[in-house]
Amino acid sequence: GDSVTQMEGPVTLSEEAFLTINCTYTATGYPSLFWYVQYPGEGLQLLLKATKADDKGSNKGFEATYRKETTSFHLEKGSVQVSDSAVYFCALREGGATNKLIFGTGTLLAVQP
Amino acid sequence: GAVVSQHPSRVICKSGTSVKIECRSLDFQATTMFWYRQFPKQSLMLMATSNEGSKATYEQGVEKDKFLINHASLTLSTLTVTSAHPEDSSFYICSAYTGGESPLHFGNGTRLTVT
Repeated sequence: GDSVTQMEGPVTLSEEAFLTINCTYTATGYPSLFWYVQYPGEGLQLLLKATKADDKGSNKGFEATYRKETTSFHLEKGSVQVSDSAVYFCALREGGATNKLIFGTGTLLAVQP
Repeated sequence: GAVVSQHPSRVICKSGTSVKIECRSLDFQATTMFWYRQFPKQSLMLMATSNEGSKATYEQGVEKDKFLINHASLTLSTLTVTSAHPEDSSFYICSAYTGGESPLHFGNGTRLTVT
């Protein structure tokens, strides 16, 4: 079945460092891809999404490009802040009737001042 | 924006008792709600998909008689953990969805501890 693999954390960075969190997927169809963020003690929030190949999702300085040839959707940010500390989840949504979201294992990001 | 309210946020119960968790979409109608369980290393596992007015569809390996899901209206779904045991202790999260390419909106989760 469909699956998502993302890099294990925790990822610890200093403020203003460059961030990359890798995400690759396996899918039989043409899924939509998402990044969700979970701040401590809160539920998941949609960070960005891309619905087809070569689409770039962006929000709050974060970006990810849907790469069909490498089945990847890596999350990047040029300069992280302490407030970005959270758990980041890569996910795909199966097409068709199910519309299920399949999540990766999550990556904890800790940004130090 | 769309808000999903999940209640309670924390619950502690004794082994053998049942616990009900509610998930409400406050300002939109959710044709579909999903229930997830979050494990200690942050992975989310989809437990079941519930559509308003019909039986929930459970993922493989999830006991439907243990995790009862009811989606009686377009704004409310409930998950009841029956005869809870310590291994059921986990973080349960619901999400709601209106269909098509609309995004999923998540509740803040329920931390269940079974003693």
